[in-house]
Amino acid sequence: AQKITQTQPGMFVQEKEAVTLDCTYDTSDPSYGLFWYKQPSSGEMIFLIYQGSYDQQNATEGRYSLNFQKARKSANLVISASQLGDSAMYFCAMREALNNAGNMLTFGGGTRLMVKP
Amino acid sequence: DAGITQSPRHKVTETGTPVTLRCHQTENHRYMYWYRQDPGHGLRLIHYSYGVKDTDKGEVSDGYSVSRSKTEDFLLTLESATSSQTSVYFCAIHEGQQNYGYTFGSGTRLTVV
Repeated sequence: AQKITQTQPGMFVQEKEAVTLDCTYDTSDPSYGLFWYKQPSSGEMIFLIYQGSYDQQNATEGRYSLNFQKARKSANLVISASQLGDSAMYFCAMREALNNAGNMLTFGGGTRLMVKP
Repeated sequence: DAGITQSPRHKVTETGTPVTLRCHQTENHRYMYWYRQDPGHGLRLIHYSYGVKDTDKGEVSDGYSVSRSKTEDFLLTLESATSSQTSVYFCAIHEGQQNYGYTFGSGTRLTVV
């Protein structure tokens, strides 16, 4: 079963409008973290925002905010005032513990966001 | 000041040949990871390292091996490349603190013909 699900393969948004990218996750670990990454057409992975499972408030970073609903196991990314440069693939990822040590990221399949002028 | 570099950036190789991809970091981070990215799958973990000579398998490790003889270098080897290993490969590093983002290299686009 997929641990991270992004149900929107592609989305359009009008420039300057807000957009929400959906992400649901599945874990039985009470301690976990959720990340969002942006991948522009150039291919690099850019870290956007992080939400810890014990964080009381939703994370915000500039125009990015994370709508964290723990009971529903969702961690949606909200981008306010979309810009043309926001056109990219967006990946939701969850931090999971590894057997030996440390952690790894498990990724969803991604959402391609296209901002229309 | 990338902190993490991958080489080569692009490679075309023939089926059955060995291929080694290199990941080099200057951050002295303990954890290093190799992921592959394929359409519809996001990124999937191949192997990871939690210290020098300490490595373990990830979700899609078949056909791959890794080595880490120095903190700064993490090598991914395809012993005998197959067409199913055509992909974009990303290396990532992580300091270890839970709320830190993982830093990714620029990726290596590998084509096996």
